Amino acid sequence: DAMVIQNPRYQVTQFGKPVTLSCSQTLNHNVMYWYQQKSSQAPKLLFHYYDKDFNNEADTPDNFQSRRPNTSFCFLDIRSPGLGDAAMYLCATSRDKVAKNIQYFGAGTRLSVL
Amino acid sequence: GQNIDQPTEMTATEGAIVQINCTYQTSGFNGLFWYQQHAGEAPTFLSYNVLDGLEEKGRFSSFLSRSKGYSYLLLKELQMKDSASYLCAVRNDYKLSFGAGTTVTVRA
Repeated sequence: DAMVIQNPRYQVTQFGKPVTLSCSQTLNHNVMYWYQQKSSQAPKLLFHYYDKDFNNEADTPDNFQSRRPNTSFCFLDIRSPGLGDAAMYLCATSRDKVAKNIQYFGAGTRLSVL
Repeated sequence: GQNIDQPTEMTATEGAIVQINCTYQTSGFNGLFWYQQHAGEAPTFLSYNVLDGLEEKGRFSSFLSRSKGYSYLLLKELQMKDSASYLCAVRNDYKLSFGAGTTVTVRA
């Protein structure tokens, strides 16, 4: 059974129209991450939550925001999607920040911007 | 900054062995992970190295040399289902920095 669940798997939005991607986890992990992965490129960390503490990567565009209302759920909000934001968005979790902690990934949401 | 390099593509025959190399230059190091990612699916954890040497897990083995900034993933007795992208990722503190992935194609 999937432990990190992302919905929807495919999302189409229009240029400039806000969109929200969701992630839920059944692992009760403290840390949740959002990555952006463009075709044939490395996943790029956008931000992460350690419990309720939010950490933004320095180069994450202001257009991207995140919410974590409880342990199980985390949302990625793109306020005004541009064509360059079309990508696969991966959610991941880890138990905590200890070095060996494995990150478990969801299947991703592929975002298209028309 | 983080710089993680791995070959873009590799092709091998069913039953053969393939070695995927990864070199890294990072500002910090707390371990190196290998993930497997089938097309359209989530990356799944394969191996973790933090000390120099070889870690063996069934058909998959991973090697690390911290002094050389080098790791490899060895896939033995290749099966068709091993066709996937293999991602090398370096952990610095709690963050992972990924390479772009190596697409392995297994031919019959």
